[in-house]
Amino acid sequence: GNSVTQMEGPVTLSEEAFLTINCTYTATGYPSLFWYVQYPGEGLQLLLKATKADDKGSNKGFEATYRKETTSFHLEKGSVQVSDSAVYFCALNYGGSQGNLIFGKGTKLSVKP
Amino acid sequence: DAGVIQSPRHEVTEMGQEVTLRCKPISGHDYLFWYRQTMMRGLELLIYFNNNVPIDDSGMPEDRFSAKMPNASFSTLKIQPSEPRDSAVYFCASSLLTGYGYTFGSGTRLTVV
Repeated sequence: GNSVTQMEGPVTLSEEAFLTINCTYTATGYPSLFWYVQYPGEGLQLLLKATKADDKGSNKGFEATYRKETTSFHLEKGSVQVSDSAVYFCALNYGGSQGNLIFGKGTKLSVKP
Repeated sequence: DAGVIQSPRHEVTEMGQEVTLRCKPISGHDYLFWYRQTMMRGLELLIYFNNNVPIDDSGMPEDRFSAKMPNASFSTLKIQPSEPRDSAVYFCASSLLTGYGYTFGSGTRLTVV
């Protein structure tokens, strides 16, 4: 079936370090892929998305590239800040304009000053 | 737009009581989703609606849970009777089309004692 697998957390980094959070997926067809971020005490917010192979989503210094050959959508940021501390969720939508999102379990990121 | 509005933000109730969670989606969004988030199980889809019609309720854990969407601007999730294992954060989200990503509310933290 359709599923999303994220790297286990928590991830702890120092400020200005490079971030990678791995995400791989299993899906039939051609899903759209998303990264959501959840700050403490808040709901999830869409961070970036990609709708087809080789697309790169980007926002707030974060990037992820839709890699069909490796079924991956890894999240990266060149220099993290303390304010990036949050839980990050990878998700896929398999139904196009219908259906719903399937979320990974989330990866908690803590950035230390 | 005020975003997706959920109420209450926090709810503490005794086991056996009825609990009603409320959600106002973004105006014009055709899809509404109810999710439950716990440490153990992560983010689980309970039910979603399209144009006020329930499409998939396979995630509703048992008959104690029910959801309604009487009009395009309001939905409720009801638990009757509530049990301690229902303690979680419940999120509502809405979307114009699912491929475009969801907008989440801030959630309702439910504690059943």
